[in-house]
Amino acid sequence: SQQGEEDPQALSIQEGENATMNCSYKTSINNLQWYRQNSGRGLVHLILIRSNEREKHSGRLRVTLDTSKKSSSLLITASRAADTASYFCATDASGGSYIPTFGRGTSLIVHP
Amino acid sequence: DAGVIQSPRHEVTEMGQEVTLRCKPISGHDYLFWYRQTMMRGLELLIYFNNNVPIDDSGMPEDRFSAKMPNASFSTLKIQPSEPRDSAVYFCASSGQIYNEQFFGPGTRLTVL
Repeated sequence: SQQGEEDPQALSIQEGENATMNCSYKTSINNLQWYRQNSGRGLVHLILIRSNEREKHSGRLRVTLDTSKKSSSLLITASRAADTASYFCATDASGGSYIPTFGRGTSLIVHP
Repeated sequence: DAGVIQSPRHEVTEMGQEVTLRCKPISGHDYLFWYRQTMMRGLELLIYFNNNVPIDDSGMPEDRFSAKMPNASFSTLKIQPSEPRDSAVYFCASSGQIYNEQFFGPGTRLTVL
């Protein structure tokens, strides 16, 4: 089944640094979404990028999508300790049911 | 809106017991999803509903699991009988359109002893 795979599995940085996470997938998609999950909480939607878009911004978040490489990246600029969380990408296969399938996530730790 | 509401937040039970998890989606959302999250398998979609009708239950692990949505504001996920391998965090999520963002509840942490 369609599934995004995040890379790296874990990332540890200092406050103020930028954090980049990547997502690769196998088949063509309609949309790709990024979610954040704080420890002990449900997932929170961050950004949705459609297959015909290449880049989207939301505050300190920047998402890029390269459909030729079947990959996406999430960049968090000027990270804060509060950004510590797991980040998931979710993809839905084009021609399919639009149901997003989640990857295993990247665990980000931002040290104050 | 209070967001997606799940109850209970924590459930500890013994093997063989029946477990019922509850979810109230965001009002006006036509889609409701049940997920299970474990360290080993990540986040798995169990079943989803559209307008209270189950559309795809291919992710339900076995017959011990069942889900219902009697009306637009309530859904249950039942495990009978429960087994230790069912221990996980179960999330409910809802969305307005199937391709839109999903809003997740806080989850129910289930421990089966």
